[in-house]
Amino acid sequence: GAGVSQTPSNKVTEKGKYVELRCDPISGHTALYWYRQSLGQGPEFLIYFQGTGAADDSGLPNDRFFAVRPEGSVSTLKIQRTERGDSAVYLCASSLTSGVGETQYFGPGTRLLVL
Amino acid sequence: QKEVEQDPGPLSVPEGAIVSLNCTYSNSAFQYFMWYRQYSRKGPELLMYTYSSGNKEDGRFTAQVDKSSKYISLFIRDSQPSDSATYLCACGLTGGGNKLTFGTGTQLKVEL
Repeated sequence: GAGVSQTPSNKVTEKGKYVELRCDPISGHTALYWYRQSLGQGPEFLIYFQGTGAADDSGLPNDRFFAVRPEGSVSTLKIQRTERGDSAVYLCASSLTSGVGETQYFGPGTRLLVL
Repeated sequence: QKEVEQDPGPLSVPEGAIVSLNCTYSNSAFQYFMWYRQYSRKGPELLMYTYSSGNKEDGRFTAQVDKSSKYISLFIRDSQPSDSATYLCACGLTGGGNKLTFGTGTQLKVEL
């Protein structure tokens, strides 16, 4: 079956602009995670959803970052007033549940470049 | 100091070599441990999962966890050029919603 898909694959924007990054999880997966991976670093947790609700948003760096998952499937990560430091690969992962050790399946990521 | 430390490499080995990749972590509450493999411009994919201390073997891959020393290892036997990738260790907490804390990743190149 289809894996996790993310769009766009690449996004170039100017400082101060607003961007939306989309994640389509594997069908039937109730848990969805966003991570950010800077160059030469491992993924860093941002937020996760169990169903429609954000169960843990402790990794969001500041209030410019916001994510939604209104119908418990597709999720959108929104970044307002982008800064050059926001440039990174934004990874989405989904898992069947948010239970201990449940395998997270990652998408290919969206490469965001803020000029 | 990061919660999970990993030597970024790069590590270059000849085909057929045994590869040893390691991580240390500082949070004693971590209960489960994973190794992910990430090819260039792709998302990470799960290789090995271990709950608490012990060893786990899957084909050419062996994962070891020593909670007393907070040390995680991945061994790759008979390494192949197709194993060339970045290897990420990750740790998780029970009751933490399965959110993972990753190391920096070690870049491995297996040469012919």
